[in-house]
Order: sequence, then C-alpha cells, then structure tokens
Amino acid sequence: RKEVEQDPGPFNVPEGATVAFNCTYSNSASQSFFWYRQDCRKEPKLLMSVYSSGNEDGRFTAQLNRASQYISLLIRDSKLSDSATYLCVVSSYGQNFVFGPGTRLSVLP
Amino acid sequence: SQTIHQWPATLVQPVGSPLSLECTVEGTSNPNLYWYRQAAGRGLQLLFYSVGIGQISSEVPQNLSASRPQDRQFILSSKKLLLSDSGFYLCAWSLGTAWETQYFGPGTRLLVL
Repeated sequence: RKEVEQDPGPFNVPEGATVAFNCTYSNSASQSFFWYRQDCRKEPKLLMSVYSSGNEDGRFTAQLNRASQYISLLIRDSKLSDSATYLCVVSSYGQNFVFGPGTRLSVLP
Repeated sequence: SQTIHQWPATLVQPVGSPLSLECTVEGTSNPNLYWYRQAAGRGLQLLFYSVGIGQISSEVPQNLSASRPQDRQFILSSKKLLLSDSGFYLCAWSLGTAWETQYFGPGTRLLVL
C-alpha cells in the first residue's frame, strides 16, 4: 500500500461546480497535513495546511479525520484558474514529507 | 521573507555528461533542504535531504549525489547522466520543526539526449 493515496482523476468540472478531493495516508504517526497545488510545468505551492478541527480559506475547505487517516479538500464555486494538480502531503516531525501522486482538476467554461 | 533560488531553469545535456544543479535559500538559517525529481506526468520522488552542512541522506540509490557545502546551499550532481535522469528537479526547504511545511524553488527542467 502506498503511503499517501489520492483520487486518480482527472476531474473535469464546469465553472461554478463544487468538487471534492480525497486523500488517505497509511502512517498513523503522521502529524501534519497539507494541500498543495501544482500548475503545469511549475513548482508545487502550498494551498493550505489542514488542521484537526478542519479549516476554511475562502472557497476552499480542508478536513482531517485522524481515526480514518483521511484528508479531504472541497472547492466551491470552481473558477477556471483552479485548474491544476492538487497534491496531498503528509509529514512526520516536520522532516519526512510524503507526497501523494496528485489529482488533476480541469475547470471547463 | 524567505526565498529559494534554483539554476539553471532549463538544461539540455548529452548522455554521459556531468551535471551540477544549484539551490540556495535566503532569509532563514539552518533549514532542512530537499531534492526531488518529477518525471513527466508523474509524482514527486524524494532524492536527497539534508538537516545540516555536510549531512546528506539518500532516499533512492542512483547515479546522482548531493552536497551541502554551506548552510543555505544544496547541490545536486552527477558524473555521467543517463536518459532516465530527464525530469523536473525541485529543491525545497523547511524549518524542520513540527507543523512546518515545505517551500519549493522554481525548479530545473533537465532533458538528457
């Protein structure tokens, strides 16, 4: 089993749609969780950290379920500019960062 | 604020030639440093990480090596490139404390012909 698994994608959604990405991790000792976005031929950039209580940043909501070792990212009112690959990242002790394979999102006009 | 630089941005090299990619971080001290490779359409593969000067951990055995001659400088090298070394090379840094995330440089796109 891979350490971090994500929805295989790609997701093709119309503008304005709500889309949810799922991620599972295998290391129960993991402490920190993040979502990154990566545009084509660019470096990954931090989208948001994921806190135990769940957190929201504008149209983006992240949830963490430690018992199920599951992380989610919800994007509401999708924009064309949201088209990218979304990477789930899990960390232990701030040193060992494990990246999921990513889920590609295409928002269509 | 912290910034991370990588160069060159793109590189085309023949098989069997040497390689040297450089990464430098500004605005922080004693960062953890990482080298990743991303093949076309694939996920990130951790190659090396360093928690201090001269301290290098290798994640994947291969014909690449890394060095950290200064606190904020990380170098990726090869004596002889293979076709399979083509990819997008990313350097990243983190503070190394719990809850802190990684930040990536702009990357070097390497094509080995």
